[in-house]
Amino acid sequence: EPEVTQTPSHQVTQMGQEVILRCVPISNHLYFYWYRQILGQKVEFLVSFYNNEISEKSEIFDDQFSVERPDGSNFTLKIRSTKLEDSAMYFCASSLAWELFFGEGSRLTVL
Amino acid sequence: RKEVEQDPGPFNVPEGATVAFNCTYSNSASQSFFWYRQDCRKEPKLLMSVYSSGNEDGRFTAQLNRASQYISLLIRDSKLSDSATYLCVVSTGGNTGKLIFGQGTTLQVKP
Repeated sequence: EPEVTQTPSHQVTQMGQEVILRCVPISNHLYFYWYRQILGQKVEFLVSFYNNEISEKSEIFDDQFSVERPDGSNFTLKIRSTKLEDSAMYFCASSLAWELFFGEGSRLTVL
Repeated sequence: RKEVEQDPGPFNVPEGATVAFNCTYSNSASQSFFWYRQDCRKEPKLLMSVYSSGNEDGRFTAQLNRASQYISLLIRDSKLSDSATYLCVVSTGGNTGKLIFGQGTTLQVKP
C-alpha cells in the first residue's frame, strides 16, 4: 500500500540552527500538508500546498517557516533559526481528494 | 471557545464494554467531519467519516448533529486493541485540506 514517508524520524538541533524536514508524498497525490503536534497537545495545521504554491497557512507558519517541492517528489519543510518551542512532532500528509494520508512524523528536539 | 472540544478522559473500560465519545465544534461553516485514531507517538489515522445520517463500520458508529454542532463515536464490544486516543476532526471544506483537530479522548481497554 502506498504511504507517505518522512525523514529524519528524529532530529536533535541546537537553538538557532536551521532544519529541513523531508517528506515523500504518495505519488499521484496533488495536495500536500504539514501539521505539527507539540508533546501532549493537539495536532495543529501549519500549511497546505497545491500546484506548486501555498494554498493556506496558519498563524504558526510565519517567516521562520518555508515549504518547497524541489523535484516533483520531495516536499520539504524548512525551519530557520529554531527556537525551543519548535520542539514537536511534524507530520507531513498528502491527499488526492478529501482523505489525508499522514506520514509517521519527524520528531524535532531543539536544545 | 475551542474550535473542537473533547473530553480528554481517560476512559478506562473493561473488554467488551460499550463506550461513547462526544465532541463539539464551534464553526457552523464546518462541512466535513471525521474521527481519527492516534496511537502513542504515532501519526493520526482515519477511523471514519461522519455523516448527518449516521454511519456504522463494524463495531464503530458515528453520528453528527449539525444543529447542536455535536459529533459522537460509539464503540461496541471494546477490544484491547481499541486502546488509543480518538481525535475528533472537522474541516471547513474547500480544497486546502485544513483539518482542525480536537485534543483527543484517551481510551484504555482493560482485560
